Amino acid sequence: SQQGEEDPQALSIQEGENATMNCSYKTSINNLQWYRQNSGRGLVHLILIRSNEREKHSGRLRVTLDTSKKSSSLLITASRAADTASYFCATDDTGTASKLTFGTGTRLQVTL
Amino acid sequence: KAGVTQTPRYLIKTRGQQVTLSCSPISGHRSVSWYQQTPGQGLQFLFEYFSETQRNKGNFPGRFSGRQFSNSRSEMNVSTLELGDSALYLCASSYRASGPNEQFFGPGTRLTVL
Repeated sequence: SQQGEEDPQALSIQEGENATMNCSYKTSINNLQWYRQNSGRGLVHLILIRSNEREKHSGRLRVTLDTSKKSSSLLITASRAADTASYFCATDDTGTASKLTFGTGTRLQVTL
Repeated sequence: KAGVTQTPRYLIKTRGQQVTLSCSPISGHRSVSWYQQTPGQGLQFLFEYFSETQRNKGNFPGRFSGRQFSNSRSEMNVSTLELGDSALYLCASSYRASGPNEQFFGPGTRLTVL
């Protein structure tokens, strides 16, 4: 079963705009990761945030984590058409980091 | 380094048959995990192997099994296929045995059961 949900389920924006996706989860976690998937292909790791961190940046990505609310958000700034993909949050509650529980995903469409 | 490779990329089987999927992790990675992705259930964890031992198992029936070889390559097997087994099967490898670390995913094997 999935750990939680992401919202929105789908998001359509224009190039240059910012995109924000939210993820909620159900249990205590060791860390939370975000992945991108293009058209039913493999997933690509974007960023990992540990449970004792509140915010992390990587290039145009900004991730926040609120463990008290069991939620995380991913912000993509100055989006590009190449950012069109599905985005998934994944939580690790075992500490092995090899058993991830994925959210439902957000489909992001960036138009020119 | 070469990425995670999965073979075959596409597979069509009929109900009742069995299938074996293969995954070659990134060189040096000893952990291999398998996931099933379907439109209805999303991404679900199947199992994880580390140094030829199954460390974690998801909530799937016994028809789903796997193994890992001494070179870290992994196979998963699904016996007595059902229509609902149609899915994208993804494998992922990682380097560390524990602690926060990213998973490197292969392109997946798309299985269609007719």
